[in-house]
Amino acid sequence: KAGVTQTPRYLIKTRGQQVTLSCSPISGHRSVSWYQQTPGQGLQFLFEYFSETQRNKGNFPGRFSGRQFSNSRSEMNVSTLELGDSALYLCASSSDGGTTDTQYFGPGTRLTVL
Amino acid sequence: DQQVKQNSPSLSVQEGRISILNCDYTNSMFDYFLWYKKYPAEGPTFLISISSIKDKNEDGRFTVFLNKSAKHLSLHIVPSQPGDSAVYFCAASDPGTYKYIFGTGTRLKVLA
Repeated sequence: KAGVTQTPRYLIKTRGQQVTLSCSPISGHRSVSWYQQTPGQGLQFLFEYFSETQRNKGNFPGRFSGRQFSNSRSEMNVSTLELGDSALYLCASSSDGGTTDTQYFGPGTRLTVL
Repeated sequence: DQQVKQNSPSLSVQEGRISILNCDYTNSMFDYFLWYKKYPAEGPTFLISISSIKDKNEDGRFTVFLNKSAKHLSLHIVPSQPGDSAVYFCAASDPGTYKYIFGTGTRLKVLA
């Protein structure tokens, strides 16, 4: 089975711009989660989608949004970029997102905001 | 408030010896725990998991121990190999929330 794929792998944007990141889960997986990784903060949960519905959202401002399509692919959007948004954005997929359901991560998108 | 803590930011071990990585958590409702390994510029790779109904789980060179009364888990790697050099994250699955809570990671360096 192919793993989780994320595009693009690298992005450079300037403050005030917006960006869209894409994630394709493992085939058959219906839950997609997004995390932000920054030095010293570890991985911070952004949101989780299942069957095109957001089931949970982390403590991030409304500039961070996402969606999931009927084929389980997911996109994440960040509007009005700030310097502090520079991070590695990771997508993870699992079968149904249940408590004991293992999440498998993609390679991440490295976003740099100048 | 950090619910999952990895208090050692780094660890160095000689090749062939045991590596022990530690993780503490504060929420007694957590009932599923995982360890991930991460190389630079890559996403975390799942290593091993343990349910709270167990106190030990093994997979090859990797063993995870869970001490529920102490709210502590550890990952043992025996024998350690240079290719094990990476950042290791422990995570807890937050029941009913569909999210993992991660520690801040421990950088393991295995010296040849």
